[in-house]
Amino acid sequence: DGGITQSPKYLFRKEGQNVTLSCEQNLNHDAMYWYRQDPGQGLRLIYYSQIVNDFQKGDIAEGYSVSREKKESFPLTVTSAQKNPTAFYLCASSPRTGRAGENIQYFGAGTRLSVL
Amino acid sequence: GQQLNQSPQSMFIQEGEDVSMNCTSSSIFNTWLWYKQDPGEGPVLLIALYKAGELTSNGRLTAQFGITRKDSFLNISASIPSDVGIYFCAGWNSGNTPLVFGKGTRLSVIA
Repeated sequence: DGGITQSPKYLFRKEGQNVTLSCEQNLNHDAMYWYRQDPGQGLRLIYYSQIVNDFQKGDIAEGYSVSREKKESFPLTVTSAQKNPTAFYLCASSPRTGRAGENIQYFGAGTRLSVL
Repeated sequence: GQQLNQSPQSMFIQEGEDVSMNCTSSSIFNTWLWYKQDPGEGPVLLIALYKAGELTSNGRLTAQFGITRKDSFLNISASIPSDVGIYFCAGWNSGNTPLVFGKGTRLSVIA
């Protein structure tokens, strides 16, 4: 089936530890996105990538890092510098970023990260 | 950055009632989208709007692209329990910029 796969569904992080969330898509989309969702805060953009080997910071990039070495993969690392990492993380992809009709985003099922 | 104001923030309705929610912006948008998020899942696209004044339906859902291009509306008729979730609006202006999302309307349906 075509779609976006996020793993794991649940993740626990110890203090001072880096953790990496996986996002894979087989939709052949150029653009991929990472969002953080906190209760009542909506979707806040962390990073996005419009093409392989390129990415841009979103509204809340501090404490996070990403890479885009392959078109189908856009992993997110939550570093120890992110002091409040507990949240629901959503990955999305779209055919492109800046063209009407082609910038519709399709979402994965999310990863819930908790701090031990 | 651009912001979308979505209201109401939450609503509790009886099964069978109609629902209305809206999204407003201080900026003009060229695309309006409406998504629904079920608990513990990712948002799913409901309706996409591309022209000012456009009215589009998807089953019991109807959405409109405001004529000022600064707002959009979503109506749900005859609500059922599976309508429970968070509804997000999203807008896009121009250029290589991502969608801007509202903070969502949380809908609860009382049977």
